[in-house]
Amino acid sequence: NAGVTQTPKFQVLKTGQSMTLQCAQDMNHEYMSWYRQDPGMGLRLIHYSVGAGITDQGEVPNGYNVSRSTTEDFPLRLLSAAPSQTSVYFCASSYFPSGRYNEQFFGPGTRLTVL
Amino acid sequence: DAKTTQPNSMESNEEEPVHLPCNHSTISGTDYIHWYRQLPSQGPEYVIHGLTSNVNNRMASLAIAEDRKSSTLILHRATLRDAAVYYCILRDLTLTNAGKSTFGDGTTLTVKP
Repeated sequence: NAGVTQTPKFQVLKTGQSMTLQCAQDMNHEYMSWYRQDPGMGLRLIHYSVGAGITDQGEVPNGYNVSRSTTEDFPLRLLSAAPSQTSVYFCASSYFPSGRYNEQFFGPGTRLTVL
Repeated sequence: DAKTTQPNSMESNEEEPVHLPCNHSTISGTDYIHWYRQLPSQGPEYVIHGLTSNVNNRMASLAIAEDRKSSTLILHRATLRDAAVYYCILRDLTLTNAGKSTFGDGTTLTVKP
């Protein structure tokens, strides 16, 4: 199993540009989510999905869009990048709604800088 | 959403036990208590989770208070590789709350040789 993979690892954007952060998992997990982590801070939930075709907003959704057309993939789109979106982005997945096996598996992160 | 409160930092000596506390006074009956840790420049890594009873695994033990308003992560013998930021979070797996979890700022654990 590759687990949770994220691409790219690093990205530099100019203000106003758009891009898509990719996330994929091969564990057949129903639940997938995106977090952002600013320097010295904890993780904040951007968007999440409990299955293909179902997405919802987290704590900080503004400026981001998601879609879930397959169980495996959960891309995060930045519509018009702003310097405030400079952060490290983590994708995670887990079984849902299982109680016993609901630990989240995190990807290695994408480090995004917006100039 | 239920929140957790953790000390900003803790120190331990190598090979000694470490008790990392977490308060979650507004926990609901359907919240699972999860612990994750994050090494520098890596994504968070699952450590342990529980609902009501104490739990043990190869990494750590989780002690949950009887009223569930607090919990303690126990590392039985700290090693230098255990130096990380430890997050205590609550995760509600009901369909209404859809498994959302909120991360606080965590506890930075320093292990001294």
